[in-house]
Amino acid sequence: QVQLRESGPRLVKPSGTLSLTCAVSGDSISSSRWWTWVRQPPGKGLEWIGEIYHSGSANYNASLKGRVTISVDKSENKFSLMLTSVTAADTAMYYCADPPSGFWGQGILVTVSS
Amino acid sequence: DIVLTQSPGTLSLSPGERATLSCRASQTVNRNYLAWHQQRPGQAPRILIFEASRRVTGIPDRFSGSGSGTDFTLTISRLEPEDFAVYYCQHYADSPRTFGQGTKVEIK
Repeated sequence: QVQLRESGPRLVKPSGTLSLTCAVSGDSISSSRWWTWVRQPPGKGLEWIGEIYHSGSANYNASLKGRVTISVDKSENKFSLMLTSVTAADTAMYYCADPPSGFWGQGILVTVSS
Repeated sequence: DIVLTQSPGTLSLSPGERATLSCRASQTVNRNYLAWHQQRPGQAPRILIFEASRRVTGIPDRFSGSGSGTDFTLTISRLEPEDFAVYYCQHYADSPRTFGQGTKVEIK
């Protein structure tokens, strides 16, 4: 069974960079999956942030206007999210997932505040 | 990009009643690659249905999905107390694999 676990700073200052990592267990990061980041602002719906394949090919939500980068680390079986120039609007629960396969991390709440 | 519109926004029903949730896509969802996810308060989402109508192993048979092309439906035949939650549809044939805005099923 695939398990995903998010980690990273839970508090980020405005204009700073949000960096999260997702550790994958129970499967290889090199399997045929699009490893995905999804976020959910408090009280709101799910927003697809982007995804990466083990080859390094990535797709992003255009609404994030070039602020987002997703990368993969095969040696450590993990993938990462970087979101730059954050504001309070980026405060959310961040999930790593493979949604169509039904695999979700528990989520990590990241707050953008000074 | 495909935009998914879910309706209604909120469904107020009593336990034992039937729930019918709609998800409409702005263009055809290829291969009917449409999933339904349930999210209970304080929990991560979990998948119920994939490929529009295929129920995930372990999901009760009171949940069923139907539809094709641009119109999809999730039906809960008889609501149990644990079914009161928010439901999201998601298409996943092509990127960006967006979600609908969600339908909240609340106790009447």
